Amino acid sequence: KNEVEQSPQNLTAQEGEFITINCSYSVGISALHWLQQHPGGGIVSLFMLSSGKKKHGRLIATINIQEKHSSLHITASHPRDSAVYICAVNTDKLIFGTGTRLQVFP
Amino acid sequence: GAVVSQHPSWVICKSGTSVKIECRSLDFQATTMFWYRQFPKQSLMLMATSNEGSKATYEQGVEKDKFLINHASLTLSTLTVTSAHPEDSSFYICSAIAGDIPHNEQFFGPGTRLTVL
Repeated sequence: KNEVEQSPQNLTAQEGEFITINCSYSVGISALHWLQQHPGGGIVSLFMLSSGKKKHGRLIATINIQEKHSSLHITASHPRDSAVYICAVNTDKLIFGTGTRLQVFP
Repeated sequence: GAVVSQHPSWVICKSGTSVKIECRSLDFQATTMFWYRQFPKQSLMLMATSNEGSKATYEQGVEKDKFLINHASLTLSTLTVTSAHPEDSSFYICSAIAGDIPHNEQFFGPGTRLTVL
């Protein structure tokens, strides 16, 4: 079993839909990251969380430390949100989930 | 925000040759840099951690004599793939941590796609 599990693996949505991507982990962590990887491969750090909730534009990330679970929400999704979203947790190093491939259609 | 660059963005080389990839922190001093490898449709895998002025720490299964890492300054780390083989073809990504930015926040480079023929 992977230490970091994401669901779903693949997700398609119509423009404007509300999207949720989930991440569960089984190890003790100091922080959790949500990353975005576009088709060209470059990675952008979206959030780093150690508790509670963070919001940036249409993106919201939450974490429940007791339940070892985090969610990434995208409101009013847009085709430009199409990317792979990766959850990564900090132990003594970063451990990555396998990613969720999101496609948003107009 | 903090910016990390990589050069080259892509490279094609013949089997048996060596390839050097550079990772630079453009607007901060990187006390620690990380090198990752990503195969198609797979997760990033940490290869090694490098601290400025000291030897890199390699993850289990990564050959240190094949993947040479040098972190000679606070803004530059290099990864040299020696005697490259087709199975080394992958996407190599570096990231960096700054001493004055919150602990463990990593900033990622855009990646280098290596194809070994």
